Amino acid sequence: AQSVSQHNHHVILSEAASLELGCNYSYGGTVNLFWYVQYPGQHLQLLLKYFSGDPLVKGIKGFEAEFIKSKFSFNLRKPSVQWSDTAEYFCAVNARTGGFKTIFGAGTRLFVKA
Amino acid sequence: DGGITQSPKYLFRKEGQNVTLSCEQNLNHDAMYWYRQDPGQGLRLIYYSQIVNDFQKGDIAEGYSVSREKKESFPLTVTSAQKNPTAFYLCASSVATGPVGYTFGSGTRLTVV
Repeated sequence: AQSVSQHNHHVILSEAASLELGCNYSYGGTVNLFWYVQYPGQHLQLLLKYFSGDPLVKGIKGFEAEFIKSKFSFNLRKPSVQWSDTAEYFCAVNARTGGFKTIFGAGTRLFVKA
Repeated sequence: DGGITQSPKYLFRKEGQNVTLSCEQNLNHDAMYWYRQDPGQGLRLIYYSQIVNDFQKGDIAEGYSVSREKKESFPLTVTSAQKNPTAFYLCASSVATGPVGYTFGSGTRLTVV
């Protein structure tokens, strides 16, 4: 069965620090990959997605993620975080075959100290 | 503005009672989904619907039921058979099923007392 693993449940950073949130999935076939973000009091929203092509994907607010097929990973990065990046981040995977189902990771809570 | 409306935002239920959570979208999306969010477990799929009058069970459908009589609406009923119903419930929709991003509602927090 497919699964998504986010290694860090809680991350605390100071402003201007670099961010990398890990995401690994278990599925041997072709996948589509997503990162969603939930800011305090707001809806879950799509941050970025990878379907095909360049494995380095750029999203909103300066975020990017790199798909490394050999490592089954899709880590989220940002060179310099801001206080406003405080949120919960979810990695999600959708297999191209076998139906539409999107599996979500457990989430990583990021707190950025001003 | 287009979006998904979930109501109510907070809901309290006595044990043994059924309760229905509302989800309405005006995005003209074909597919709709219900997820349950528990701390440390991420989002788990309860039910999904690809088209009106059709829906399928997700990973944790036991104790839940849905209907899809209209494209815009996908209500979720939490029945008394659901053993641990206290949770945060999220409704989502997408243009189609498959490799597309979802639009989420703001959620309903259900507490069983």
